[in-house]
Amino acid sequence: EPEVTQTPSHQVTQMGQEVILRCVPISNHLYFYWYRQILGQKVEFLVSFYNNEISEKSEIFDDQFSVERPDGSNFTLKIRSTKLEDSAMYFCASRAILAGGSQYFGPGTRLTVT
Amino acid sequence: GEDVEQSLFLSVREGDSSVINCTYTDSSSTYLYWYKQEPGAGLQLLTYIFSNMDMKQDQRLTVLLNKKDKHLSLRIADTQTGDSAIYFCSNNDMRFGAGTRLTVKP
Repeated sequence: EPEVTQTPSHQVTQMGQEVILRCVPISNHLYFYWYRQILGQKVEFLVSFYNNEISEKSEIFDDQFSVERPDGSNFTLKIRSTKLEDSAMYFCASRAILAGGSQYFGPGTRLTVT
Repeated sequence: GEDVEQSLFLSVREGDSSVINCTYTDSSSTYLYWYKQEPGAGLQLLTYIFSNMDMKQDQRLTVLLNKKDKHLSLRIADTQTGDSAIYFCSNNDMRFGAGTRLTVKP
């Protein structure tokens, strides 16, 4: 069964460094998402991406964040100048269609900022 | 803004039924979803319901939707220890509740 994959599973970085979290969505999906889950808290929407551009973003997704689909398979989240409070699980998800299509989540990348 | 609310904890005995509740504010939600998250894992879609339905049954899972009250529930029949996880409801606006931690005691 096709699945969303994410790498790395765990990323440790120092405050102020840049990180790139990588995702490979399911191949025939058209809509892509990033979410964040701070330990023990709710899953928070960051950004959605369709047709090579951001379709929606939350107030969390400020200038520190960017997304890219550099080729036909990868979908990346870049966090510039990381802060301690960026430590969280970051989940990628993809969806085939918008209306009624379910999102399929990757296993997540645990980002630890020290 | 629009929000999705859930109770945080539920504890049941193995074999009992579990009912997890969720309320939402966005009346335009077309689909509502239930996800399961096991420790250290991502979110796994369990089931979903279209907004013009009142109920959907899928094996041990029953979803009830009260659109007037914007209330969604997930009932798990014959709850097993393997059902212990965090359960999230979500509307199609990509907003999730805080998650209900279900603990199943043997």
